Amino acid sequence: DAGVIQSPRHEVTEMGQEVTLRCKPISGHDYLFWYRQTMMRGLELLIYFNNNVPIDDSGMPEDRFSAKMPNASFSTLKIQPSEPRDSAVYFCASSRAGANVLTFGAGSRLTVL
Amino acid sequence: AQSVTQLGSHVSVSEGALVLLRCNYSSSVPPYLFWYVQYPNQGLQLLLKYTSAATLVKGINGFEAEFKKSETSFHLTKPSAHMSDAAEYFCAVSWETGNQFYFGTGTSLTVIP
Repeated sequence: DAGVIQSPRHEVTEMGQEVTLRCKPISGHDYLFWYRQTMMRGLELLIYFNNNVPIDDSGMPEDRFSAKMPNASFSTLKIQPSEPRDSAVYFCASSRAGANVLTFGAGSRLTVL
Repeated sequence: AQSVTQLGSHVSVSEGALVLLRCNYSSSVPPYLFWYVQYPNQGLQLLLKYTSAATLVKGINGFEAEFKKSETSFHLTKPSAHMSDAAEYFCAVSWETGNQFYFGTGTSLTVIP
């Protein structure tokens, strides 16, 4: 099993540009989570999906952020337009119902100039 | 509100000394409890997990944690610190329903040679 795969690992962009982060969960996992990690706020849950359906997006900071999960093997987190304060490491994680264990990807480090 | 608290954002120990990282949870219902470790520039990895089978849980790399219901605690210990243990450690809690995970703010462990 390749684990949770995230891309890109690093992204540097300019303020105002659109950013798309991608995630492939572990096959068979029916929960997918997006987290953001910063020095100031620590690890924050942005949104999570169950069977491709968004369950709780209360952690999404603003309308500039959107997440989709078109199928069981792919999810995106989009920021449009991006701002310097969005600079952070974004993690995707997945789990299987009943197993109650989160498996994290390696993260996508976003820098907005 | 159900949450988890980690006491001490930074802990320093000498190589070979005891490691003790503290975690307390607030919940009226016995939860599932976890410790995750994050090495620099990596995602979070599961160290160990408590699921009510046994109060003393052994994890990877010589770490263990003890669930104490009376103290609502789940402290992480290791008898002898190794240089490779230097990392960020996160305590987390979840419950059966919703499959949501709540993370503490993390404790950065420094091991002094």
